[in-house]
Amino acid sequence: EAGVTQFPSHSVIEKGQTVTLRCDPISGHDNLYWYRRVMGKEIKFLLHFVKESKQDESGMPNNRFLAERTGGTYSTLKVQPAELEDSGVYFCASSQASDRRNTIYFGEGSWLTVV
Amino acid sequence: AQTVTQSQPEMSVQEAETVTLSCTYDTSESDYYLFWYKQPPSRQMILVIRQEAYKQQNATENRFSVNFQKAAKSFSLKISDSQLGDAAMYFCAYRSYNTGTASKLTFGTGTRLQVTL
Repeated sequence: EAGVTQFPSHSVIEKGQTVTLRCDPISGHDNLYWYRRVMGKEIKFLLHFVKESKQDESGMPNNRFLAERTGGTYSTLKVQPAELEDSGVYFCASSQASDRRNTIYFGEGSWLTVV
Repeated sequence: AQTVTQSQPEMSVQEAETVTLSCTYDTSESDYYLFWYKQPPSRQMILVIRQEAYKQQNATENRFSVNFQKAAKSFSLKISDSQLGDAAMYFCAYRSYNTGTASKLTFGTGTRLQVTL
């Protein structure tokens, strides 16, 4: 069974440009999460989808970040325009709604560097 | 709001030895989950061990065990018989038991573990 996959694994963009990160959750997982780790700091929650609906987006830092999950399958996280402080690792995770223990599976992360 | 603190940015252990990674947390809730996640270099972050706060017994998974001290809000991870494959970044995490906030994990800053020969 394929795990959570993220693309691209690494991205270097200039300040002011746009970047779109993609996440493919484990097949059948209704819950999809985005987290971010800025270098040297803790991993922080960004948002949570249940199928195509945003269940909790309290962690989104500002309106330069836009997450979508059309059709309830894969998700994209767009940063536009990117700023230097957006550099970090963006993790996607998924879990199965029917899993009582709600085990969360993470991807490898997308490393974003804004220069 | 809950916070998780990992006070050891880096740790080192010799192969076959035992190492303990520290984690403390702060919460006003009585029911919650605690986790240790491991992320090897360029690999996925995987769940190492989970502890339900209502359980007094410390969780164990093969060579990994925890020392859960609820009153002290401490949740340390002990790795016995360390192996080279244990080298990774280890994150301590908290999750509320309440279903309304069950989605959100609160992480510490991580501890990088090196395993030497």
